[in-house]
Amino acid sequence: GAGVSQSPSNKVTEKGKDVELRCDPISGHTALYWYRQRLGQGLEFLIYFQGNSAPDKSGLPSDRFSAERTGESVSTLTIQRTQQEDSAVYLCASSLVVLAGGYEQYFGPGTRLTVT
Amino acid sequence: AQTVTQSQPEMSVQEAETVTLSCTYDTSESDYYLFWYKQPPSRQMILVIRQEAYKQQNATENRFSVNFQKAAKSFSLKISDSQLGDAAMYFCAYRPRYGNKLVFGAGTILRVKS
Repeated sequence: GAGVSQSPSNKVTEKGKDVELRCDPISGHTALYWYRQRLGQGLEFLIYFQGNSAPDKSGLPSDRFSAERTGESVSTLTIQRTQQEDSAVYLCASSLVVLAGGYEQYFGPGTRLTVT
Repeated sequence: AQTVTQSQPEMSVQEAETVTLSCTYDTSESDYYLFWYKQPPSRQMILVIRQEAYKQQNATENRFSVNFQKAAKSFSLKISDSQLGDAAMYFCAYRPRYGNKLVFGAGTILRVKS
């Protein structure tokens, strides 16, 4: 079946502009995650959605970052008033949630954001 | 807080040879998962192998195997019979059993020479 998809693949924006990044999870996956990967570094957790529960926003770096998800479908990550340090690859992942804790996260190809 | 450390920024291996990538982690949890992910230039994160902490037996997946030392909090990845397609960035990652986010190391670039 289809994997996790993200759009756009690449985004170049001017400092101070707002951007929206989109993630389409695997159908049936109730959990959705956003991560940020700065150049040459590992992934940093940003936010987690699970069904209709309140999202875990503990990884969002500032109030310029927000994310939404309606039900178990598409999610959008919004960055307001972008700064150069926001330049990174933003990766989305989705998973089933199994009570015993054994589930895998499947990643999308990411959106490369460049703030000029 | 949990942390994952990969001390080798870059490794090289000759095609058909064996290479080991190192990973250490720090946690106060006793039940957790450890993962190795591969990220080729396409950026697609691919799960290579996973280990459940309560299982003493080391996980294996074809040419990939791990050496899991729970007391030492060490989780290395061995790639046997290296192939050109193995060239990528490799990330070690940790998640508590009932946690919802992965904690990643900084990654190791693996180069495979023909």
